[in-house]
Amino acid sequence: KQEVTQIPAALSVPEGENLVLNCSFTDSAIYNLQWFRQDPGKGLTSLLLIQSSQREQTSGRLNASLDKSSGRSTLYIAASQPGDSATYLCAVSGSSGSARQLTFGSGTQLTVLP
Amino acid sequence: DGGITQSPKYLFRKEGQNVTLSCEQNLNHDAMYWYRQDPGQGLRLIYYSQIVNDFQKGDIAEGYSVSREKKESFPLTVTSAQKNPTAFYLCASSYGLVRSGNIQYFGAGTRLSVL
Repeated sequence: KQEVTQIPAALSVPEGENLVLNCSFTDSAIYNLQWFRQDPGKGLTSLLLIQSSQREQTSGRLNASLDKSSGRSTLYIAASQPGDSATYLCAVSGSSGSARQLTFGSGTQLTVLP
Repeated sequence: DGGITQSPKYLFRKEGQNVTLSCEQNLNHDAMYWYRQDPGQGLRLIYYSQIVNDFQKGDIAEGYSVSREKKESFPLTVTSAQKNPTAFYLCASSYGLVRSGNIQYFGAGTRLSVL
């Protein structure tokens, strides 16, 4: 069964810092990996989707990488801002068993201090 | 505006009562999903539907039921058999299945509490 782990569970950084969020998964047979943002008490917003054949995706100040063989992904946020404060979740879509669903990590709660 | 609407935002359930959470989308998506989120945890899949009149159980379907009579609507009923229903419930939709690289779009959620 696929398991997704996100470390650290919480992170606090001063404004302007570059930072990296980590995501690891146990079964490398995935179709794709997504990074989501969740604001308190709100739904999820998709940030980046990386297909299994891709190594990275970029959107603005965000860059996500994928190393399928080692079961790892990172989300890099450049020049962090207080508005980036939120919980970031990664999720993988498996290619076996329950291939029709996403398996989520428990998230990293990010606080960017002004 | 296109999107996913969940209602109500807050819901309270009395012991032994069934309650229904609404999810409506106007994105013309075929697939819809229900997730449960507990504090400090990721999302867990309850049910999903690929097409009208068809739905499949997810990882934690016990104590829940769904229907998909219309493409736009995928209501979730939390039955009295669900002994620990307090959680944040999220509905999502996508053009197709996630394995095809289709991004899921999420509603704003319903927070269910037990009285």
